[in-house]
Amino acid sequence: SYDLTQPLAVSVALGQTARVTCGGNNIGNKNVHWYQQEPGQAPVLVMYRDGNRPSGIPERFSGSNSGNTATLTISRAQAGDEADYFCQVWDSSTVLFGGGTKLTVL
Amino acid sequence: QVHLQESGPGLVKASETLSLTCSVSGRSISGYYWSWIRQSPGKGLEWIGCIYNSESITYNPSLKSRVIFSLDTSKNQFSLRLSSVTAADTAVYYCARHPTYGDYGGYFDYWGQGTLVTVSS
Repeated sequence: SYDLTQPLAVSVALGQTARVTCGGNNIGNKNVHWYQQEPGQAPVLVMYRDGNRPSGIPERFSGSNSGNTATLTISRAQAGDEADYFCQVWDSSTVLFGGGTKLTVL
Repeated sequence: QVHLQESGPGLVKASETLSLTCSVSGRSISGYYWSWIRQSPGKGLEWIGCIYNSESITYNPSLKSRVIFSLDTSKNQFSLRLSSVTAADTAVYYCARHPTYGDYGGYFDYWGQGTLVTVSS
């Protein structure tokens, strides 16, 4: 089966750049989608097909995907960016989610 | 704007069947894919499966033997039935929409608020 690996936690200083990674075998050959989930809330799509932002998502959010790692980058991090972030792919007609990364803004 | 709302019992006894419905407003359910996703307390997300119409249904292999999806276009809603539940099925259950099936458009652009289902012994 295909595995997605995310760090459990990432911390970033206020105003700095946070990078949340999602590792998988040749994940660069897949389309990776990202979700933000605040406590007690449903996930929200923040990036689709590697680097496409849905309407309403700030330009501070960007994404890339190459080789064995996909990355969600959050520039000029704000306190409101504190949340869990999940990556998602399809493999063998099944949806897979990464385990999630808790982003802390210091 | 598309709005999804899950409904169903919040408490189910072990070995019984969990039944949930997702009501969609703001857009016809026809022409889109609709998934069920769950999240155990403090854990990650698990995809249960998706439905497009009665002939196009995909289940997560890990749950396939216990799950049945259905869709009612007249009511603009779709449903989940999960049989023989155990404590491991305790989770927040979400319904969500995705534009297409598969890698390219298989991202979840609209989600319900989620409903907590607890399995009691």
